[in-house]
Amino acid sequence: DTGVSQDPRHKITKRGQNVTFRCDPISEHNRLYWYRQTLGQGPEFLTYFQNEAQLEKSRLLSDRFSAERPKGSFSTLEIQRTEQGDSAMYLCASSLTGSTEAFFGQGTRLTVV
Amino acid sequence: DQQVKQNSPSLSVQEGRISILNCDYTNSMFDYFLWYKKYPAEGPTFLISISSIKDKNEDGRFTVFLNKSAKHLSLHIVPSQPGDSAVYFCAAAGMDSSYKLIFGSGTRLLVRP
Repeated sequence: DTGVSQDPRHKITKRGQNVTFRCDPISEHNRLYWYRQTLGQGPEFLTYFQNEAQLEKSRLLSDRFSAERPKGSFSTLEIQRTEQGDSAMYLCASSLTGSTEAFFGQGTRLTVV
Repeated sequence: DQQVKQNSPSLSVQEGRISILNCDYTNSMFDYFLWYKKYPAEGPTFLISISSIKDKNEDGRFTVFLNKSAKHLSLHIVPSQPGDSAVYFCAAAGMDSSYKLIFGSGTRLLVRP
């Protein structure tokens, strides 16, 4: 297993378009997290899954954002009607239940023009 | 409100000397504290952690100190190496069962040869 994988690495989209990102966690990890990082800031928690169940969503996650983890393996994060303020690095992380050590992917950098 | 703060955006040290990175937090309910290292175009990489029941944890050149009464932790790197040049994030976890991480804004460390 090569770690947490995210696709695509970069995405440029026009305002108003929908985008979808994918995350493949470490295979035995049952927890999966999404974070967002903007310039000069640390990552901010968006949401997390325990297996296929989405257990918590940050208030940062507006109605335009939706995340899924249909079979408890990979996850997708979709942003509808993108806005310039959505431009950021979207990071996925995975961990074992009860472990604080989360392993991060390389992120997807979104630019909304 | 920023629950985890890294007040020094940057730090420059000479190779072979000690690097000390500082972090303050406001929530006494945090159970664990972690340091992550981030190179450009990569996701954060776990470095070292400490439980709130300890005051020191050491791993090779890296030592983390926790002062609960002051709500302060620090990361010491001795001796510093040019390859340590990166952005270091302090994070806190454990307020609830999610183990989501609350990050500081990061300190950019430059180790000069």
